[in-house]
Formats: sequence, structure tokens, C-alpha cells
Amino acid sequence: EAAVTQSPRSKVAVTGGKVTLSCHQTNNHDYMYWYRQDTGHGLRLIHYSYVADSTEKGDIPDGYKASRPSQENFSLILELASLSQTAVYFCASSGLGDQDTQYFGPGTRLLVL
Amino acid sequence: AQKVTQTQTSISVMEKTTVTMDCVYETQDSSYFLFWYKQTASGEIVFLIRQDSYKKENATVGHYSLNFQKPKSSIGLIITATQIEDSAVYFCAMREANNAGAKLTFGGGTRLTVRP
Repeated sequence: EAAVTQSPRSKVAVTGGKVTLSCHQTNNHDYMYWYRQDTGHGLRLIHYSYVADSTEKGDIPDGYKASRPSQENFSLILELASLSQTAVYFCASSGLGDQDTQYFGPGTRLLVL
Repeated sequence: AQKVTQTQTSISVMEKTTVTMDCVYETQDSSYFLFWYKQTASGEIVFLIRQDSYKKENATVGHYSLNFQKPKSSIGLIITATQIEDSAVYFCAMREANNAGAKLTFGGGTRLTVRP
């Protein structure tokens, strides 16, 4: 089964500060994703990547950047954190074709004050 | 654009009974994939079961099964012999075959409470 880890697991940030969330997967998956979940809601896709050194915009990319330095690692960057970015962030990975089920990390709880 | 809707925000059932959670979806693609995930109280999101649109047989994994009604664009999750530990939020999700990036679109979730 897929193993996806995230760090930190929780973070408190100040408005206007820079935040970096990290994700690591050990399953040799090509695809990696960043989602955000707001309280009581489903997940929305922020950015994704299908190969190292390349990232793509998801459905809600504004205010976020992503970086995929290697197949195993995928980071989400908030250059200027805002109150509205308080949420839980999930990373996921998947393979291709029949192996395209996405497996999720444990999530990072971000509070922006 | 694809859309996934779960109209039941919460369901409460007695332990050992069967529960069905509804999910309807919208897509322009003739080929797509449907998934159900469970989010536990700790926040962990666990993959449960999937249905590929070209398969006529309903998927079954353990005490989870699907009721796939393609003409109605509906994919219900059925849990038989529910247990206390089945209490969680359940999300339905869809991916279109022609969707670049294998992106998932999620429904809003259904909170299931299993009572002893």
C-alpha cells in the first residue's frame, strides 16, 4: 500500500509569512497532488505534478506555488500566507493507468494568524 | 465540468445493520472512474473501493460494495454489518478518463455514525 508522509503535521504561521509544506512518497508513483480541506467540506485540488521538475495548476492555485524536485518529493509553498489559507492540507500520490488510485498522506493542519 | 454531489450530510445507524450512502456525478466523458474514501476521526483519508465506468459488475471489497447505476449517474456505497469503527466521513470522488493529471473531484462527504 502507498506510503505518503507529510511534514510538518501542524503549523502556526503569521499573516504575510512564508510557509512550506513538504510531502514524501516511497511508492515510485509518478503523480503527486496537493489538496486543501476546509472544515466540513471535501477536498479541492491546488497543484499536481506528473514528473520531477514540473508542476501543474489545479482548481484553486491562487496564492500557492508548488515544487517537485524529485519523484519522491513535492512541496507546497505559500509565499505570503493569508488568513483564508487556514485549512488542512493533504498530499497524495498515484501511479498511472490501472494503478491510478490516489493514496493520501496524514495531512498538515495550518493555522494562519 | 465534472461535479460530484453527496446529498446526505449525515446518517446514523445501529451497529450490525446495512447502510447505503448516495453519490451522483456529472461528466461529459464516456469513460471515468469512481472512488470512495473514508476519513477517520483522526483525519486520515483511506481508499476503500473503486468502480470503473466500463465495468458492469458492481465492485465489492470486504463489507463494502457499490451500487453503480450508470444511466442515473449514481454510485452508492453500501456497508453491510456495520461496526462502530465504521463511524467516519465518507467521500465519493470521480476522475474522467480524459482528465489530464488524473485529477479527482470530490463530493462534500457524508458523516456516518454507527450506534451500539
